[in-house]
Amino acid sequence: EAGVTQFPSHSVIEKGQTVTLRCDPISGHDNLYWYRRVMGKEIKFLLHFVKESKQDESGMPNNRFLAERTGGTYSTLKVQPAELEDSGVYFCASSQSVQRLTVQETQYFGPGTRLLVL
Amino acid sequence: AQSVTQLGSHVSVSEGALVLLRCNYSSSVPPYLFWYVQYPNQGLQLLLKYTSAATLVKGINGFEAEFKKSETSFHLTKPSAHMSDAAEYFCAVSDQRYYQGGKLIFGQGTELSVKP
Repeated sequence: EAGVTQFPSHSVIEKGQTVTLRCDPISGHDNLYWYRRVMGKEIKFLLHFVKESKQDESGMPNNRFLAERTGGTYSTLKVQPAELEDSGVYFCASSQSVQRLTVQETQYFGPGTRLLVL
Repeated sequence: AQSVTQLGSHVSVSEGALVLLRCNYSSSVPPYLFWYVQYPNQGLQLLLKYTSAATLVKGINGFEAEFKKSETSFHLTKPSAHMSDAAEYFCAVSDQRYYQGGKLIFGQGTELSVKP
């Protein structure tokens, strides 16, 4: 079974440019999460999709970040325009639908996209 | 609010020695707790998780963690370190306040070095 994949693995852009990150979750996983780790800081939650709907976007830093998951399959995270503080590693994770209220499904992580804004 | 604190951003042990990585959590509801590992240039891999069943949880690669409610701790241990254990380790709690399948809240991470 293929794991979570992310593209690109690395991206170097200049301040003010636009970058789009892509995440392909594990097939059949309804839940898709985006996280970010800024250098020297902890991994922080950005948002959570259930199928194509945004369940929780409380971690999105500002309106320069736009996430989509059309059709409930892959997701994209666009940063426009990029700022220096957006540099970091962006992780995507996916998990199965929650079948029972007492179960916490495991989140499986992709390798991350390393974004550097110059 | 839920939070996780990992004591020690860097831990160094000798090969064959005990590995102990500390994690304390704060949660207003019974927590689901996780340990993830990140090897160089790779993504996060689940080591083990606690979901209110047995308090001693065994994971992959010989790691285990014990949930202690009275101490709000979930420390990760391995009896004998191997060079291949060198990686960064993350403790996380699942935010279950509003619905199942919630976000993970991570600690700061602990970099484990293993000396020959």
